[in-house]
Amino acid sequence: LAKTTQPISMDSYEGQEVNITCSHNNIATNDYITWYQQFPSQGPRFIIQGYKTKVTNEVASLFIPADRKSSTLSLPRVSLSDTAVYYCLVGVAFSGGYNKLIFGAGTRLAVHP
Amino acid sequence: DSGVTQTPKHLITATGQRVTLRCSPRSGDLSVYWYQQSLDQGLQFLIQYYNGEERAKGNILERFSAQQFPDLHSELNLSSLELGDSALYFCASSVAAGESTDTQYFGPGTRLTVL
Repeated sequence: LAKTTQPISMDSYEGQEVNITCSHNNIATNDYITWYQQFPSQGPRFIIQGYKTKVTNEVASLFIPADRKSSTLSLPRVSLSDTAVYYCLVGVAFSGGYNKLIFGAGTRLAVHP
Repeated sequence: DSGVTQTPKHLITATGQRVTLRCSPRSGDLSVYWYQQSLDQGLQFLIQYYNGEERAKGNILERFSAQQFPDLHSELNLSSLELGDSALYFCASSVAAGESTDTQYFGPGTRLTVL
């Protein structure tokens, strides 16, 4: 099981770029890295997924170094509405033929005016 | 809107009671997942069904059970409710069986309050 480690919280200001790093030292060869965003009292929302190097979509970028033991979610020019909890999810663990799906504690991002 | 629907949105009940939470996955999705989120526990995976069959099990209590019906909707049954069962219960769905690339789409959740 690839355990993930993220900062518990981060603070930023409107218009700044925010980078949230997730460590996953035990990532398996077939594992992908996925990031979710969650607002209070809402279900998590998929942001981005990648396997290696760099992935970019209309919301964020995901940087994954060659060793894949970490990944960085980059949010360009954040706004107040980006205040949320961000979860890094790495692959699935197979145990006895079943998948086990683990969300970590997440990073609580607070964007200030 | 993720396309996943959950009912009811809110549920208030008493200890010892039994409730049923309902989830309809996105059109075409075969997997349904149930999660519990309480203030002190974060997002905890409970159970996954894939095309009607149990696929993965997390920290689901014996008092809880789930099933997925032929039309792929799912129900989570919580019985002998305790105060500590008060939480947000989320349902998610995905296209396939839960492989690493299988994106999960979450519903709006059901807030359960046990008094």
